[in-house]
Amino acid sequence: DIQLTQSPSFLAASVGDRVTITCRASEGITSYLAWYQQKPGKAPKLLIYASSTLQSGVPSRFSGSGSGTEFTLTISSLQPEDFATYYCQQLNSYPYTFGQGTKLDIK
Amino acid sequence: QVQLQESGPGLVKPSETLSLTCTVSGGSISGSYWSWIRQSPGKGLEWIGYIYNSGSTTYNPSLKSRVTISLDTSKNQFSLKLSSVTAADTAVYYCARHFRFTIIGVVIRPVDYWGQGTLVTVS
Repeated sequence: DIQLTQSPSFLAASVGDRVTITCRASEGITSYLAWYQQKPGKAPKLLIYASSTLQSGVPSRFSGSGSGTEFTLTISSLQPEDFATYYCQQLNSYPYTFGQGTKLDIK
Repeated sequence: QVQLQESGPGLVKPSETLSLTCTVSGGSISGSYWSWIRQSPGKGLEWIGYIYNSGSTTYNPSLKSRVTISLDTSKNQFSLKLSSVTAADTAVYYCARHFRFTIIGVVIRPVDYWGQGTLVTVS
């Protein structure tokens, strides 16, 4: 199975900050990666797929980049509703696997 | 707007079979890939497997010997059966829809719709 390692696991930031979350794959996955946001008690929500394609309805302050084994999710200016846990998922091969998550908290 | 809703027992005894159903509304179950994903504190998010409307399935090898996903197009539902459960199978179970996206001739299937999730406890 392809392992995905997210860093950091926990991040404290303030409204208006620019934050970056990294996802590293144990082997190359081209650009076959998605990012999800999850709030407590809710299902994950798709933000970005194919490494950098923004899902319809997702604010443009979210962006993704990367290919091969290293990927990043950037939030350009944090809003109060962005405090949540973020997961990456590889779609390169079965079984689809997820990173362990990055919890973004208010500083 | 597609909506998914999981249903089934919230408590299952060890060694028994966990059975869940996902009802899809707002769209046809035909033509898409439908999956089950679970989330536990110990293992995070885990993709269990999915089914296509032809009945074709792909399962996570770690669960393959115990999992069956099936489709009922007449009811717009799909189901999960997980046999011989243990406490390690305690989790929130989500049903989900994967959509098709092509990158330079390669198809990937991210999840665009999720159910609200249902907690299943094995005890």
